[in-house]
Amino acid sequence: QQQVKQSPQSLIVQKGGISIINCAYENTAFDYFPWYQQFPGKGPALLIAIRPDVSEKKEGRFTISFNKSAKQFSLHIMDSQPGDSATYFCAARASANSNYQLIWGAGTKLIIKP
Amino acid sequence: SAVISQKPSRDICQRGTSLTIQCQVDSQVTMMFWYRQQPGQSLTLIATANQGSEATYESGFVIDKFPISRPNLTFSTLTVSNMSPEDSSIYLCSVPGQTIGEAFFGQGTRLTVV
Repeated sequence: QQQVKQSPQSLIVQKGGISIINCAYENTAFDYFPWYQQFPGKGPALLIAIRPDVSEKKEGRFTISFNKSAKQFSLHIMDSQPGDSATYFCAARASANSNYQLIWGAGTKLIIKP
Repeated sequence: SAVISQKPSRDICQRGTSLTIQCQVDSQVTMMFWYRQQPGQSLTLIATANQGSEATYESGFVIDKFPISRPNLTFSTLTVSNMSPEDSSIYLCSVPGQTIGEAFFGQGTRLTVV
């Protein structure tokens, strides 16, 4: 119940296309869902995050769609660029969890082909 | 935001030896986290380090193998003891941000045990 399931494991998208990464969870105590971006040789960095009281959040070319009833959320990257090639992790946190721990998805390696 | 300096960035070590990884944060933080990331895999939490108390280890990780020090609110070390090739991985330190679910990471230490 503590898992966050992420798919696909890897994704290849043409430049200018839409990249879509999906995550699903079971624990209804989760109330914060961030996405992290990791480039080779670097630590993950927060990209965008959403709370379950909204169905969508957009920041530039990055959009999170959230379906509370289905317990699913997804990251959409519009007009994907080669610089977006990285590994993306979804995560979840329960705010009642005082130890700040994040539950991580397995990661998606995204390659944008020029 | 927090800036985290982690060193060494990489090392190649002989089996049976130990390596100490240092993590320096540019601001005072209560909690620091140590993660292990196998190549191409997700993040696995090793332990949570609070200043002034013993670290809390996750299932599968023990203090004898991964001793942690947390002498003050800006610094921590993780030692990987009696290394074997199975310990080859990327080790990351992390601190929580101001926003729920936000975390900042060091650039990681890529450890290879031969």
